[in-house]
Amino acid sequence: QVQLVESGGGVVQPGRSLRLSCAASGFSFSSYGMHWVRQAPGLGLEWVAVIWYDGRNKYYGDSVKGRFTISRDNSENTLYLQMNSLRAEDTAVYYCTRETTGRFDHWGQGTLVTVSS
Amino acid sequence: QSALTQPRSVSGSPGQSVTISCSGTNSDVGGYDSVSWYQQHPGKAPKLIIYDVTKRPSGVPDRFSGSKSGDTASLTISGLQAEDEANYYCCSYAGSPWVFGGGTKLTVL
Repeated sequence: QVQLVESGGGVVQPGRSLRLSCAASGFSFSSYGMHWVRQAPGLGLEWVAVIWYDGRNKYYGDSVKGRFTISRDNSENTLYLQMNSLRAEDTAVYYCTRETTGRFDHWGQGTLVTVSS
Repeated sequence: QSALTQPRSVSGSPGQSVTISCSGTNSDVGGYDSVSWYQQHPGKAPKLIIYDVTKRPSGVPDRFSGSKSGDTASLTISGLQAEDEANYYCCSYAGSPWVFGGGTKLTVL
C-alpha cells in the first residue's frame, strides 16, 4: 500500500534552516509529481511546492519562493524540502502528498516545524 | 495566489443535506476542471473525497457529490452522519500553483 512518511521537523530559531524528508513506498515514486502542503496551528491548508516526476520542473507558493527548495531522489524514493531563512509564520505541520492528475490522493501523517527563539 | 473562498462553518442534522461552496476566479476554479475536496478530522491528515469536480475515489460513499458552475465549486453531503463532522477544504489547480480554500467546519447537530 502507498505510504508516505515525513521526518525532519522540530524546533528551530528564526533565520535558521531545516530540511524535511518524505520517504515513499508502495508505488512507483519516479512516476508521480510530489507536493508539500502545510497547515499552521488551527488554520487551513496551504500549498507550498510541487516537483514533477522527473525533477525537471518545480513551482512554489509566493510565501516560500526564494527561501524553500523542493527536490527528490528517485533512486532513494525520497522527497525533500530545504527550508532556509525560516520565519515564525512558517510554523506548521508539513505534509508530503502524491499527485495523481491534479488531485492529492495520498498524504503522509505530517511533521511539525516550530520556528521560535 | 489568493485562497479560494469557503464559508467558515455549516451545520445540519443527521439525515439532512448540506452544501459547501468554494468560490474562485477564472484563473483557478473557473479555468480548470481540477477541483478536488478533502475531508480532515482533527489531528489527522486530509483525505481526498472528490476530484475532477465530480468524481469520487473508491471507498468514498455516494453521499458525497461535487459540482461546479462558473468560478464556484460546491460539495454536497446528503444523509448527514455523525462521522461527517470534520473540516472540508476545496482545492484547485491554478496553472502550476495550486490553491486551497480556507476550509469549512461542518457540525452535525
